[in-house]
Amino acid sequence: DTEVTQTPKHLVMGMTNKKSLKCEQHMGHRAMYWYKQKAKKPPELMFVYSYEKLSINESVPSRFSPECPNSSLLNLHLHALQPEDSALYLCASSQGRATVDEKLFFGSGTQLSVL
Amino acid sequence: EDQVTQSPEALRLQEGESSSLNCSYTVSGLRGLFWYRQDPGKGPEFLFTLYSAGEEKEKERLKATLTKKESFLHITAPKPEDSATYLCAVQAGFGNEKLTFGTGTRLTIIP
Repeated sequence: DTEVTQTPKHLVMGMTNKKSLKCEQHMGHRAMYWYKQKAKKPPELMFVYSYEKLSINESVPSRFSPECPNSSLLNLHLHALQPEDSALYLCASSQGRATVDEKLFFGSGTQLSVL
Repeated sequence: EDQVTQSPEALRLQEGESSSLNCSYTVSGLRGLFWYRQDPGKGPEFLFTLYSAGEEKEKERLKATLTKKESFLHITAPKPEDSATYLCAVQAGFGNEKLTFGTGTRLTIIP
């Protein structure tokens, strides 16, 4: 199984809503990532969890809150978002810091629209 | 600061017309250079990792090469299914989990 599964595929939320994005992988990977991608732009790194500990936070606003319950699961909790937060949110995983090849496996993403 | 520049921004080719995409990079201590393919509304799909100047890798109609300043993705006799955005990314330093992506080349193959 070389898949990273993200749910939901699409999400529409108001600025006062609270929602969560979910990501799951069963490849035994120990690093998991959240990226944000606007249309026709490259992915921008938001957070990295390495061995279930938050290792990188790219100065992301606190209205985005990541959580890594175990090595296979990654959540992104959303609260009081702004319309400019509308984007494709991508989850990815890789083997982990100690490996030679850090290629990322990406999920298909959650297309988020904030009204 | 690590920088990755891809050119051209967009490229339209006739089916069977070979060409190359360019990725120029500035990074302190290149650990790896990665090529990904991304279809609209989907996540990027890994294609290649290159580690050192002179290295080449091939997969079907694609061939990636690396020098000390740039990488090329050569596409030979492309088919319409090769249409996608091709992203280049660099990783600086062993154990550094951050990839710096270029803005991509949108490739369209016309039947």
